Amino acid sequence: QQQVKQSPQSLIVQKGGISIINCAYENTAFDYFPWYQQFPGKGPALLIAIRPDVSEKKEGRFTISFNKSAKQFSLHIMDSQPGDSATYFCAARETGAGSYQLTFGKGTKLSVIP
Amino acid sequence: DVKVTQSSRYLVKRTGEKVFLECVQDMDHENMFWYRQDPGLGLRLIYFSYDVKMKEKGDIPEGYSVSREKKERFSLILESASTNQTSMYLCASSSRPGRPFDYGYTFGSGTRLTVV
Repeated sequence: QQQVKQSPQSLIVQKGGISIINCAYENTAFDYFPWYQQFPGKGPALLIAIRPDVSEKKEGRFTISFNKSAKQFSLHIMDSQPGDSATYFCAARETGAGSYQLTFGKGTKLSVIP
Repeated sequence: DVKVTQSSRYLVKRTGEKVFLECVQDMDHENMFWYRQDPGLGLRLIYFSYDVKMKEKGDIPEGYSVSREKKERFSLILESASTNQTSMYLCASSSRPGRPFDYGYTFGSGTRLTVV
């Protein structure tokens, strides 16, 4: 059972464009939503995270938008650059239950072309 | 600079061999995880541990076992390697939720295992 659904599986964006990756979840007890960025040959690294008490979080060119009622969250990459080409994973965690696990989406491979 | 270190970047083993993948973290994290990553399937949890000598099965534990004798070290063991275990293996660690500086998972760089 996939608890976090991520789309699209792959994305090609022109340099300077906006990259948008979407995730949807079912478990309303999720209360921590991080995004991870993975470059080829490397492990995923935390990029940005949000808690559901805010609807948006911005760090530089990266923004998470969160819609609690729709149970959806998305990553927006503004002014996309070739160096942003990587695989992106969304994730969610149910902190209150003492769970230590993140539930990951299946990933989106982003290619930013010059 | 805090980190998770996996002992091998690339490994080639023969079918039937017993394989050990080692992971060490220097962040005093309680929780450690082993994932495998395959194209189109994302990150799949094999085993995790939330304390020394404790282990819990993840989503795909068959064919694997783990060992955590010390807090900083978490080993993944392939009892009898098979070709369908050819994959990228990722180790991760985290502190308990709610602790200060709870930044989620820190991943190692991965071990690409090929079983021939």
